[in-house]
Amino acid sequence: NAGVTQTPKFQVLKTGQSMTLQCAQDMNHEYMSWYRQDPGMGLRLIHYSVGAGITDQGEVPNGYNVSRSTTEDFPLRLLSAAPSQTSVYFCASSTTGGDTEAFFGQGTRLTVV
Amino acid sequence: AQRVTQPEKLLSVFKGAPVELKCNYSYSGSPELFWYVQYSRQRLQLLLRHISRESIKGFTADLNKGETSFHLKKPFAQEEDSAMYYCALSSNFGNEKLTFGTGTRLTIIP
Repeated sequence: NAGVTQTPKFQVLKTGQSMTLQCAQDMNHEYMSWYRQDPGMGLRLIHYSVGAGITDQGEVPNGYNVSRSTTEDFPLRLLSAAPSQTSVYFCASSTTGGDTEAFFGQGTRLTVV
Repeated sequence: AQRVTQPEKLLSVFKGAPVELKCNYSYSGSPELFWYVQYSRQRLQLLLRHISRESIKGFTADLNKGETSFHLKKPFAQEEDSAMYYCALSSNFGNEKLTFGTGTRLTIIP
């Protein structure tokens, strides 16, 4: 019962570097989302997907790209890391229905220096 | 635009005392509201949702559409309730776009 798995758990990047945060779920959920968690700001939606091949922007999409080639995977790409992207990133998945539960990964703590 | 407001960043309560974590929302339609909790070193998890009207770990929350509130309550706090609590709103038929409040860190004083 892996649920939502994120890798890596910790990462330090230099400004300008690129990287991909991985997210995989084994619950066959249609919906997947990426959030960032910053002190005093709660969780903010970066990008989301309602199914394979379909993605859309959330509240804070700038500097991030996503793709959804399979139901299971939803990677988040930082094209050119900036210190403002230092944050904790959470991936979530859920099935259809507004009252259903969103399942979260354990988070990736990213520091950009 | 939808918004979720949690006015208290920090809340300290003595063990055995009642707890109330405030949540107010703004949304023009019929929202789905949730409380999520993050215990130390654990992932964010659902505590309860308004539509199920259930009590989880002694917590309850009632949706008050007139006051646009969804406050979380527990009559007798326990030490294991110490955690970060987030109120969240879903505006559509799926949870791919949750709007979160800024969170309240609850500390139970032994």
